Amino acid sequence: AQSVTQPDIHITVSEGASLELRCNYSYGATPYLFWYVQSPGQGLQLLLKYFSGDTLVQGIKGFEAEFKRSQSSFNLRKPSVHWSDAAEYFCAVDPSNTGKLIFGQGTTLQVKP
Amino acid sequence: NAGVTQTPKFRVLKTGQSMTLLCAQDMNHEYMYWYRQDPGMGLRLIHYSVGEGTTAKGEVPDGYNVSRLKKQNFLLGLESAAPSQTSVYFCASSLQGTGAFFGQGTRLTVV
Repeated sequence: AQSVTQPDIHITVSEGASLELRCNYSYGATPYLFWYVQSPGQGLQLLLKYFSGDTLVQGIKGFEAEFKRSQSSFNLRKPSVHWSDAAEYFCAVDPSNTGKLIFGQGTTLQVKP
Repeated sequence: NAGVTQTPKFRVLKTGQSMTLLCAQDMNHEYMYWYRQDPGMGLRLIHYSVGEGTTAKGEVPDGYNVSRLKKQNFLLGLESAAPSQTSVYFCASSLQGTGAFFGQGTRLTVV
């Protein structure tokens, strides 16, 4: 079945440490790929997106993500986490460029001082 | 820049009551969407629209209706609310597959 999986429900990192959030998808062709962030009580904000080309994409707030076709993955990374990065992160795919997004279950990031 | 605006932000309904959620966007986007967010399930698409006057079903359309009479507005209706519809509802808009812009959400509780 077509799906988006975020294996980690909850992650805790220390401020200043590096971060990697995992995302795997199961679609035949390479879909459009997105990462969103949601702060408590807020809507979703687009961090970055991948359509084609360079497999390492840069986003806002110092985030980047790498598309790996062989692993069907689109992992989100940040070299040094700030306390303000504590939020819920969602990976999403658009399988057919229709704008209809399929979301993963989300990963909650907690940042320790 | 307002972006995507949802009203109301909070609502409590009794089982069987009806209500309409309003979404307005000022970005001239053709595509609009309604999602619901439930703990541990991410967001799931309820209905969507690819242009004024058009609507289509998403992943979880049962119990909901929508209308897109004007390009900038997308309404979500619950004709007879059920406790299973307790959720946070998000509206979004986009230029096809370029990435959606989301509203702030409506927290709905059905008792």
